[in-house]
Amino acid sequence: DIQMTQSPSAMSASVGDRITISCRASQGISNSLAWFQQKPGKVPKRLIYAASSLESGVPSRFSGSGSGTEFTLTISSLQPEDFATYYCLQHNTYPFTFGPGTKVD
Amino acid sequence: EVQLVESGGGLIQPGRSLRLSCAASGFDFDDYAMHWVRQVPGEGLEWVSGISWVSVGIAYADSVKGRFTISRDNAKNSLYLEMKSLRLEDTAVYYCVRSDGFLEPTDAFDLWGQGTMVTVSS
Repeated sequence: DIQMTQSPSAMSASVGDRITISCRASQGISNSLAWFQQKPGKVPKRLIYAASSLESGVPSRFSGSGSGTEFTLTISSLQPEDFATYYCLQHNTYPFTFGPGTKVD
Repeated sequence: EVQLVESGGGLIQPGRSLRLSCAASGFDFDDYAMHWVRQVPGEGLEWVSGISWVSVGIAYADSVKGRFTISRDNAKNSLYLEMKSLRLEDTAVYYCVRSDGFLEPTDAFDLWGQGTMVTVSS
């Protein structure tokens, strides 16, 4: 099975900060990676698909990059509504696997 | 409106069975692969199972293989998850999720239902 790791697991940030979350796959997954944002009590929301494509309606301050085993989610200027937990998902090989999450507070 | 609505969750004793349903509307259900994802409250997301648009392709997480069965009825625009021999650790919110393909989808997990809570407890 492909293992997904995320770093950091949690981070403290302030409005206006540029933050970067990393996601690493235990083997190559091409660009078969998505990023999700989840707020407490809410359904996960997809932000990025195919590693770097921005979901329609998602602010352009969110961006994704990477391919193979190393991926990054960047928020260029953190806004109050961005405080949440972020998950990566590899959908290249079954069983699909999520990263453990990064909590931004 | 494009949406997925799960149902069938509830309180169930260990060892018993439960069937979850997911009703799709607002899109061509049989054009999409479908998945179940679960989340223990306060914890991370776990992919559970997926099925291709004509049910030829099916996959399960190791944690549920042999106990859970995914199926779909395209005529009813519905996805199902039959859960047997339930364990305490199966307690979670179960989400129904859409994907554009079963093998290496390019537009994966774009639409999620609201989830249905399954509580396994004696």
